[in-house]
Amino acid sequence: AQKVTQAQTEISVVEKEDVTLDCVYETRDTTYYLFWYKQPPSGELVFLIRRNSFDEQNEISGRYSWNFQKSTSSFNFTITASQVVDSAVYFCALSNQGGKLIFGQGTELSVKP
Amino acid sequence: DSGVTQTPKHLITATGQRVTLRCSPRSGDLSVYWYQQSLDQGLQFLIQYYNGEERAKGNILERFSAQQFPDLHSELNLSSLELGDSALYFCASSVDRVSTGELFFGEGSRLTVL
Repeated sequence: AQKVTQAQTEISVVEKEDVTLDCVYETRDTTYYLFWYKQPPSGELVFLIRRNSFDEQNEISGRYSWNFQKSTSSFNFTITASQVVDSAVYFCALSNQGGKLIFGQGTELSVKP
Repeated sequence: DSGVTQTPKHLITATGQRVTLRCSPRSGDLSVYWYQQSLDQGLQFLIQYYNGEERAKGNILERFSAQQFPDLHSELNLSSLELGDSALYFCASSVDRVSTGELFFGEGSRLTVL
């Protein structure tokens, strides 16, 4: 069975702090895809990144970076120099080639000024 | 703006009633997915249609049904509504038959059952 675990339910930081959101996944598939989505207070789900299981290179996009480690089945997300606008719920998700996304429970990030 | 349109944005109804949620996918996308987001269950996959045919099924109740029409828009029908059906219902679309790529989500339809 596939499963995504985001152990951190809520995180609160002060602006400019770095913060890492943890994601651990379970799957028996050798080919799979990992995602992060952001859900701001307005409610929509915004795609942030996709990684396939054969690409373990870490990725950086501005203040965002992602660390994919197959050895620990983790796909962690770091925000550097956090800003108030980063306040949102962040979801990690897993997909195989079967067609559906399995989401974690989400981590609510609150960035205070 | 993801390009996925969902209507209505908000809906309040009573137990036992039936509602229909509508979704228009992004232009060119053939796959439509429905997800339910509730406080206790989180984001749950309900069903996927690809080019008019059911492609995958998740935790969708028998009281719920969906379809995708020839113009690729989709409708999710919820009947015999219960209090526990109150949730945010998302539609998403993708060009792929399988979700190996990015899904584009609509803004959701918030259903409140009283």
